[in-house]
Amino acid sequence: NAGVMQNPRHLVRRRGQEARLRCSPMKGHSHVYWYRQLPEEGLKFMVYLQKENIIDESGMPKERFSAEFPKEGPSILRIQQVVRGDSAAYFCASSPSDGGELFFGEGSRLTVL
Amino acid sequence: GQQLNQSPQSMFIQEGEDVSMNCTSSSIFNTWLWYKQDPGEGPVLLIALYKAGELTSNGRLTAQFGITRKDSFLNISASIPSDVGIYFCAGRGSGGSNYKLTFGKGTLLTVNP
Repeated sequence: NAGVMQNPRHLVRRRGQEARLRCSPMKGHSHVYWYRQLPEEGLKFMVYLQKENIIDESGMPKERFSAEFPKEGPSILRIQQVVRGDSAAYFCASSPSDGGELFFGEGSRLTVL
Repeated sequence: GQQLNQSPQSMFIQEGEDVSMNCTSSSIFNTWLWYKQDPGEGPVLLIALYKAGELTSNGRLTAQFGITRKDSFLNISASIPSDVGIYFCAGRGSGGSNYKLTFGKGTLLTVNP
């Protein structure tokens, strides 16, 4: 079942460290989205990428957060100098086209100590 | 930004009962989606609605896209224990950001056997 694959599923970091979350989209999908979910909240849009391009990063904090989707390999969401407020579940989704149905991965749960 | 109000926040029902939940928006959406999320998992798409007034079923699930395009409801008939989970509505607007989903805060459903 070649669904959206995310890793790691769980990540623990101390304040000030870096977190790297990886996402491999479904086969044939070239559109990747990252969403963040805080406890007891819905998912909030962070960034939309196509291969080698950031299309919309309006939902991503301006500092410490970055995302990429290189020509080869998975999409990476990078959080530098993590703080406790970064603790959340980060979900990646992919779609075959702009505006197409989104298929979500199982998420990466970041805990910052 | 767009806001989605989802209600109720939580429901406790007996197995076999029907359940209904809804979402209202402060602005118009072109697409309404309903997702289910199990603990520790990513959201799974249940039903997608693309036209105002559309009524769509998926097994025991029925969802409707409101005529005003500002609301949607989801009904589950004859609930079973495996229906337990969090149900999210999500809307997608038009124009340049038709890829971006806005999520409600979810309805936590508990089914007592």
